[in-house]
Amino acid sequence: GAGVSQSPRYKVTKRGQDVALRCDPISGHVSLYWYRQALGQGPEFLTYFNYEAQQDKSGLPNDRFSAERPEGSISTLTIQRTEQRDSAMYRCASSLGGTNTEAFFGQGTRLTVV
Amino acid sequence: QKEVEQDPGPLSVPEGAIVSLNCTYSNSAFQYFMWYRQYSRKGPELLMYTYSSGNKEDGRFTAQVDKSSKYISLFIRDSQPSDSATYLCAMGTNTNAGKSTFGDGTTLTVKP
Repeated sequence: GAGVSQSPRYKVTKRGQDVALRCDPISGHVSLYWYRQALGQGPEFLTYFNYEAQQDKSGLPNDRFSAERPEGSISTLTIQRTEQRDSAMYRCASSLGGTNTEAFFGQGTRLTVV
Repeated sequence: QKEVEQDPGPLSVPEGAIVSLNCTYSNSAFQYFMWYRQYSRKGPELLMYTYSSGNKEDGRFTAQVDKSSKYISLFIRDSQPSDSATYLCAMGTNTNAGKSTFGDGTTLTVKP
């Protein structure tokens, strides 16, 4: 596709349920990033991949959060046993990688935990 | 205290004005400095990217980095209503270029 695609665009889930958020990066982009953005704040780093390797997961809030990118393309961010505080916009971005740090962001998935 | 602090605004200016947006930071390891523009309900899009200190100009936009003061700026000349958006500064290090630390954004409105 032309840009970074995220699905679903909106997700409402009940507290305690697991959710999986999907990111389809720009074709050929080596690096893929996950951020979380609260209303009125800047994106907060969660994790990133080069190809299929998770390079840094220091931003994942706790062990309920995990991410994978098994074939170096599509990535899934999974949140287990969701809590209301997990409600936020989850954004994915991708870049060519290396020293190129121009990241292209998707439109995000708005997660609401009720 | 956050690693990156950004003037919160909001900022409202008349069309044609010069706009100055600023961020300060505390991590001296930051070497990559970026400005993103984010329209309502959209993802951030990269406007300007600077490595280390100095100025960079692109059309009506000029980015400045002063590493000695840990201070970066984005200037917009001849501002247009279409510039109305939230502007986010972001920074990264050499050792972990994949991780960007963002400011919380300044919302700008340019009135016709």
